[in-house]
Amino acid sequence: KAGVTQTPRYLIKTRGQQVTLSCSPISGHRSVSWYQQTPGQGLQFLFEYFSETQRNKGNFPGRFSGRQFSNSRSEMNVSTLELGDSALYLCASRLTQGSEKLFFGSGTQLSVL
Amino acid sequence: AQRVTQPEKLLSVFKGAPVELKCNYSYSGSPELFWYVQYSRQRLQLLLRHISRESIKGFTADLNKGETSFHLKKPFAQEEDSAMYYCALSGVSNTGKLIFGQGTTLQVKP
Repeated sequence: KAGVTQTPRYLIKTRGQQVTLSCSPISGHRSVSWYQQTPGQGLQFLFEYFSETQRNKGNFPGRFSGRQFSNSRSEMNVSTLELGDSALYLCASRLTQGSEKLFFGSGTQLSVL
Repeated sequence: AQRVTQPEKLLSVFKGAPVELKCNYSYSGSPELFWYVQYSRQRLQLLLRHISRESIKGFTADLNKGETSFHLKKPFAQEEDSAMYYCALSGVSNTGKLIFGQGTTLQVKP
């Protein structure tokens, strides 16, 4: 099976712009979670989607949003980018049915200038 | 508040020495605890979870509710164990929401 695929691998944006990141989960996985990783804050949970519905949300401002499509692929969007949004954004998928084992993608490295 | 603390940023040991990566948590209920590992140039992956009570690659971890700890141990470190290790907590079952510690880099010297 192919692993979790995230695109693009790298992104450079300027303050005030918006960005969309994409995540394709492992085939058969219906849940997708997003995490932000920074040197200062470590790994922080953004949100989780299952069956096109947001099931959990972390403590991030409304500029961070996401969605999931019927094929379980997910996108996250960050609007009005700030310098502090520079981070590695990781996507993770899992089988539901009581499984907490997360399978992570390689991430998208976002740099905001 | 839910929190996971890994007090050591870097742990350096010689090959064959015992290893203990510390993890303490703060949670009022009954959490589920995990250890994730990231080897160089690889993705973050699950190493083990307390509910499974298993040993993976020689590593074990016991949940101590009294001390609110979930330390990762291995009796004899190998060079291939060198990696970044993250302790993580889930407050509810069947969720993709994990609270991660800051991580500990394990360096095993030859």
